[in-house]
Amino acid sequence: EPEVTQTPSHQVTQMGQEVILRCVPISNHLYFYWYRQILGQKVEFLVSFYNNEISEKSEIFDDQFSVERPDGSNFTLKIRSTKLEDSAMYFCASSELLAGTGELFFGEGSRLTVL
Amino acid sequence: DQQVKQNSPSLSVQEGRISILNCDYTNSMFDYFLWYKKYPAEGPTFLISISSIKDKNEDGRFTVFLNKSAKHLSLHIVPSQPGDSAVYFCAAGGGADGLTFGKGTHLIIQP
Repeated sequence: EPEVTQTPSHQVTQMGQEVILRCVPISNHLYFYWYRQILGQKVEFLVSFYNNEISEKSEIFDDQFSVERPDGSNFTLKIRSTKLEDSAMYFCASSELLAGTGELFFGEGSRLTVL
Repeated sequence: DQQVKQNSPSLSVQEGRISILNCDYTNSMFDYFLWYKKYPAEGPTFLISISSIKDKNEDGRFTVFLNKSAKHLSLHIVPSQPGDSAVYFCAAGGGADGLTFGKGTHLIIQP
């Protein structure tokens, strides 16, 4: 069964460092997303991406964040200068249709710990 | 501002009985609702969905009910099995935005 894969599964970094989280969405999907879940809190939408550009982003997704689809298969989330409060589980997801009309397939997540 | 609310952080149900998980929403623009199940150390997995034009959708042991006037939906699992123990997230969508998730309900199935 096709699946969304994410790397790394866990990354520990110092505050102020840049982090890149990588995702390989399901190959025929057109819509890509990043969500995050801070420990003990709800899953929060960060950004959606379609046709090589951001389609929507939340208030959380400020100038420190960026996304890219560099090679047609990978979908990356970059945090330019990490803060302590960026520590969370980051989930990549993809879908064939818009999220509001079809199911999302999630990866297993990348745990980011900022020290 | 919690647009999707799951007011029960946890629920304990005996194996074989019915599990009922509840979800309320405030945004009347939502027109598609989904339930996701999450095991520890894994990403959420899709369980069942319902569009706003329906009031019930059934898939095996899982049934989702939607009451639009009350802005309320529920997930029924019958009969409950030990493998159903997980965190269940209600999610809602309606447009280009990603889904809006509730905080989740931890379902514990007791033998």
